[in-house]
Formats: sequence, structure tokens, C-alpha cells
Amino acid sequence: DAKTTQPPSMDCAEGRAANLPCNHSTISGNEYVYWYRQIHSQGPQYIIHGLKNNETNEMASLIITEDRKSSTLILPHATLRDTAVYYCIVRVAYSGNTPLVFGKGTRLSVIA
Amino acid sequence: ETGVTQTPRHLVMGMTNKKSLKCEQHLGHNAMYWYKQSAKKPLELMFVYNFKEQTENNSVPSRFSPECPNSSHLFLHLHTLQPEDSALYLCASSQDSRDSLLIFGNGTRLTVT
Repeated sequence: DAKTTQPPSMDCAEGRAANLPCNHSTISGNEYVYWYRQIHSQGPQYIIHGLKNNETNEMASLIITEDRKSSTLILPHATLRDTAVYYCIVRVAYSGNTPLVFGKGTRLSVIA
Repeated sequence: ETGVTQTPRHLVMGMTNKKSLKCEQHLGHNAMYWYKQSAKKPLELMFVYNFKEQTENNSVPSRFSPECPNSSHLFLHLHTLQPEDSALYLCASSQDSRDSLLIFGNGTRLTVT
């Protein structure tokens, strides 16, 4: 699976959009971009995933560049409850070869 | 509640104790996982079970012994642990082991004294 690079930490004011970047320059054509987050003392929670088109759900939006070498997770109106570590993972959607591997992620702090 | 339930939430044990962590899901999933999360470290995959068969053992020491009696239940048996084994132990499940959408429990916080 391709490797991802994320900033270690970010701050965001409450009510503003949080834009979390992820670089995945070695992504393969059949690899998806997945985002999970982990709120303190809880297990990781799936947020969203995409292949090449932008995706939106009730939690967030995912913007993937045309060359697919990077993506951005957008939380449109961040709240204090969005403070968490956000993980960007690249993997073939239905892969029998490797399990899901989490990196260090980005620690997002939403500030009142 | 995520649909994956882990018990106990907190556990303190001595190095000579034997204890077990329990994980249960009724999501109809066929794959179950144990991850370890030490302080300020990324999640480390420990074991994967797919349709009750162990498919991954990520070089985990034998003092950790998993058991998967059926697709809904997963145990992690612990014996003669070391203080460095203190961590958050997370269980997850998915449709099967090829699936990338995992549902995690909230973990067991283990302290070894």
C-alpha cells in the first residue's frame, strides 16, 4: 500500500472549516484514500473514503487532486467534539494482501 | 456505542496474573482484529481472524494469546505480561479481512504493574 504523509498537528477555530491535508504521491490506480479519526480514549472511527471523485457525507468532504497525489479532508464547521487524531490511509478497497495500517495522523485541536 | 463492545474498559494486573480481554460484535462481520496502541505511538496490528481462522500474527510475543471461538467473539488471553505491555488494546471488526471499513470498539486500557 502507498505511504501517506500528514502534518503532525493543526489548530482550527470553532465554527470554521478544518482542512486536513494528506500527501500520497505513490498511490496506485486501484488504491482508495480512507480517512479515520480517533477521539481521545476511543477507538478509531471511519469518516469517508474516495477513489478519484470528490466525496461528501454527513461528517465531512473529501477532495482528491486530479493527479490523485494528495487529498484534503474538510470538516465544514468544526466543533470542539471534532478534536481528535485524523488518519489518512491509502489501500486497495477490497484487499486480501495487507491489513489496514495506521500512521501517526494529524492531531487536530479545535479551539473555542 | 459502535457495535463492537470491549470488556473490561480498564484493567490493572500484576506481571504474574492471567487475565483475558473480551470483544463482541453482532454486526454480522466475519473478520475481527486486535490492535495495540501504546502511549504516543501509532496503532499496531496484533492479530487478524477471518471466518474464525487466524490469518495474521504480527510477530506478537506468546504472552498474548488470541482466541476466536466464533465470528462474533474475540478474546485476548494475557499472562506474565511486562510493564511495557501497558497500552490501549483495541478490537475491531469488518465484513471480512479484505474490507477496509473497520468498526472499532472503545478499547481496554491495560496497566501492568
